[in-house]
Amino acid sequence: DGGITQSPKYLFRKEGQNVTLSCEQNLNHDAMYWYRQDPGQGLRLIYYSQIVNDFQKGDIAEGYSVSREKKESFPLTVTSAQKNPTAFYLCASSISWLALTFTDTQYFGPGTRLTVL
Amino acid sequence: AQSVTQLGSHVSVSEGALVLLRCNYSSSVPPYLFWYVQYPNQGLQLLLKYTSAATLVKGINGFEAEFKKSETSFHLTKPSAHMSDAAEYFCAVTRYSTHQTGANNLFFGTGTRLTVIP
Repeated sequence: DGGITQSPKYLFRKEGQNVTLSCEQNLNHDAMYWYRQDPGQGLRLIYYSQIVNDFQKGDIAEGYSVSREKKESFPLTVTSAQKNPTAFYLCASSISWLALTFTDTQYFGPGTRLTVL
Repeated sequence: AQSVTQLGSHVSVSEGALVLLRCNYSSSVPPYLFWYVQYPNQGLQLLLKYTSAATLVKGINGFEAEFKKSETSFHLTKPSAHMSDAAEYFCAVTRYSTHQTGANNLFFGTGTRLTVIP
């Protein structure tokens, strides 16, 4: 079964601790994305990666870091520098970053709800 | 710059009534537009997308949307609401021109929560 998995589903963190959220896809997609969702604010882009070993900051990258060492994996680390990390985090992927082959869209994982205690 | 505005953060309809969720876009380039649905504590699922092939787009679960360039709108409709349609709906637009790299990056609206009253 092809898809995107995120783990864990619920995560609790103490203030001042770094935490890493997992995102794995077996769709053979080149591009991957991380979003943060807060009530009433929709989805905001944190980071995206168009290809392995490359990633770009999105709209709200401060306090977050990512890596893309493998095509299928795009972990997100929420650092202690993130002032308000409690939120629902969504990972997504799409076939390609190439505009001329744009025929698809982003497919989403089930999300991780992070709560800072 | 590209953006979308969803009018109404909450919409309530009776079961069997028409569903109309509004989305207006702003784009300096021909846009690709999308509607996604999110059920509680889940990821987003694509309902339908407009990629300039046809202005009336049919999606899953009986939903459809019409691209109106003159009104810069892409409203989502369903003739008869079902209890299972209760969810949050997001409109999204491509951030960049389709001739630029990163065209798959999307800008999302703030969402509309649909409640269906039995």
